Amino acid sequence: RKEVEQDPGPFNVPEGATVAFNCTYSNSASQSFFWYRQDCRKEPKLLMSVYSSGNEDGRFTAQLNRASQYISLLIRDSKLSDSATYLCVVNPISNAGNMLTFGGGTRLMVKP
Amino acid sequence: DTGVSQDPRHKITKRGQNVTFRCDPISEHNRLYWYRQTLGQGPEFLTYFQNEAQLEKSRLLSDRFSAERPKGSFSTLEIQRTEQGDSAMYLCASSLVYNAYNEQFFGPGTRLTVL
Repeated sequence: RKEVEQDPGPFNVPEGATVAFNCTYSNSASQSFFWYRQDCRKEPKLLMSVYSSGNEDGRFTAQLNRASQYISLLIRDSKLSDSATYLCVVNPISNAGNMLTFGGGTRLMVKP
Repeated sequence: DTGVSQDPRHKITKRGQNVTFRCDPISEHNRLYWYRQTLGQGPEFLTYFQNEAQLEKSRLLSDRFSAERPKGSFSTLEIQRTEQGDSAMYLCASSLVYNAYNEQFFGPGTRLTVL
């Protein structure tokens, strides 16, 4: 079993739609969580950190469910520019180095 | 540009050759990480430095790979006797250890193609 699992998609949605991605992680002691966005052939860019209380940044909302070990990302009012791969990322507490463990990514395509 | 920079951006080499990549982190960041990403996969951790000390290495980092950060600033990643399986994007990231959440910021990567 992979440490961080995501549905690879692609999710094809029309502009203006609301779309949600989930991700599960296997290490129950994991400490911190993130969503990164990666455009084709570019580097991952931090979209948002995911806090225990959940957090919102404009059209983006992230939630963490420690009991079920999953993380979600909700995108409201999708824009064409949201088309990208969204990487779910976990920082396992068992690793002293704070290395990040990435899921395989979920591809989103927003169509006009 | 005050972000993470990497050089070269692309490298094509023949199997068996040695290659070296460079990463310059964000200036005030004391942690530097190397990751490798292949097509359709998320990045995989290779190694990291805190200042000049290399504190952890992944099992992915075979004996052919070596990384240095001699003055605690820029880092180099060398691959000796390259193999076709080494073809990947090599990503460098940096973070500030006093950031409790350890948010890492990535450079543009070096895309390696081994023929």
